[in-house]
Amino acid sequence: EADIYQTPRYLVIGTGKKITLECSQTMGHDKMYWYQQDPGMELHLIHYSYGVNSTEKGDLSSESTVSRIRTEHFPLTLESARPSHTSQYLCASSTGWLPGEQFFGPGTRLTVL
Amino acid sequence: AQTVTQSQPEMSVQEAETVTLSCTYDTSESDYYLFWYKQPPSRQMILVIRQEAYKQQNATENRFSVNFQKAAKSFSLKISDSQLGDAAMYFCAYRSARSGNTPLVFGKGTRLSVIA
Repeated sequence: EADIYQTPRYLVIGTGKKITLECSQTMGHDKMYWYQQDPGMELHLIHYSYGVNSTEKGDLSSESTVSRIRTEHFPLTLESARPSHTSQYLCASSTGWLPGEQFFGPGTRLTVL
Repeated sequence: AQTVTQSQPEMSVQEAETVTLSCTYDTSESDYYLFWYKQPPSRQMILVIRQEAYKQQNATENRFSVNFQKAAKSFSLKISDSQLGDAAMYFCAYRSARSGNTPLVFGKGTRLSVIA
């Protein structure tokens, strides 16, 4: 398995709480990604990063924010969680070299009550 | 923009039989990479197989092989001698070769059930 980690694996919180989902990788990959996976299992890219101090918004509009201060770390923050944020969140990373397949973390299952 | 289409939301196969999952893609580029990913019920996505567009030979990984038809923009996955552990969501993905910065483009996935 790839060396990419996500914590927590499961989280149940109340509406309005601020939360941070952690993602770390030990492979030295430049590129990192966050996906939201809907109940139908479709993947939606919400944020990605080319490297330290670089972040980009993905295809799906999201109220979350990300930061990339260290190569190995790419946390995702929700300032005020809502029930509509309930979802599975997957983190991934890849090298900058082609073919550039992505390695995925185990995911965080978030439930907002 | 590139798109990836998986036209089979769900498939099933008998154990030990062969199943083929379909994937088509749309691109104006000539150089790219295609991938099949597997996401078992435990949720961690793993790479199954990869194909470089410039290679005519179809990629093979043990019981998994692809049928890559570049002109038809088709990239199907064949699973031979299906096992219970093959039950998962399978995602087809595309990656441009123009830049290492472009994220993968994923299809919506196909849920494969394996019947004992």
